[in-house]
Amino acid sequence: GESVGLHLPTLSVQEGDNSIINCAYSNSASDYFIWYKQESGKGPQFIIDIRSNMDKRQGQRVTVLLNKTVKHLSLQIAATQPGDSAVYFCAEKVANSKLTFGKGITLSVRP
Amino acid sequence: DADVTQTPRNRITKTGKRIMLECSQTKGHDRMYWYRQDPGLGLRLIYYSFDVKDINKGEISDGYSVSRQAQAKFSLSLESAIPNQTALYFCATSDLDNQPQHFGDGTRLSIL
Repeated sequence: GESVGLHLPTLSVQEGDNSIINCAYSNSASDYFIWYKQESGKGPQFIIDIRSNMDKRQGQRVTVLLNKTVKHLSLQIAATQPGDSAVYFCAEKVANSKLTFGKGITLSVRP
Repeated sequence: DADVTQTPRNRITKTGKRIMLECSQTKGHDRMYWYRQDPGLGLRLIYYSFDVKDINKGEISDGYSVSRQAQAKFSLSLESAIPNQTALYFCATSDLDNQPQHFGDGTRLSIL
């Protein structure tokens, strides 16, 4: 079946460095992708999304890159801060179908 | 105030009991969803509704039922709770297709 996965279960970065969180997806028909952040005791919080007709999209301190050739999605966080420590999920979607979530990766920011 | 509100936030109950989890939203979205989150398994869709008259099963609907009482309210019921339904439950809403879903802060449900 189709799946969305993350390469690493945990990522530790130094405060101030850039973070890159990677995600592989396997459904070539997926046309919409989202990154979520989940802090302890809270629900997933929308960070940024991208549609399949784009390769890159930037937000505030975050950039999402989509490589459809290798079915790869990444989230880049610039100047990582302690408040960025959380679990990050990628999710993919085919039009008019449901959102499929990856299992999540923990980002830990070292002071 | 939160845009998506779930009640209760925590619940402990016994096997065989009927449980209702409630979700209300002020975002004005037509689409609402119930998910379950288990460690190591990510978020899995239980039921979803695209408008008041629409109810659809997700990937793990067995043992659950839902009711869409109004555009703003979507409740999840466990008719006869069992221990393996112990999990975090999230409600979410979205506007149109290919728009982000917005989540509540979840209900932590423990079934003894």
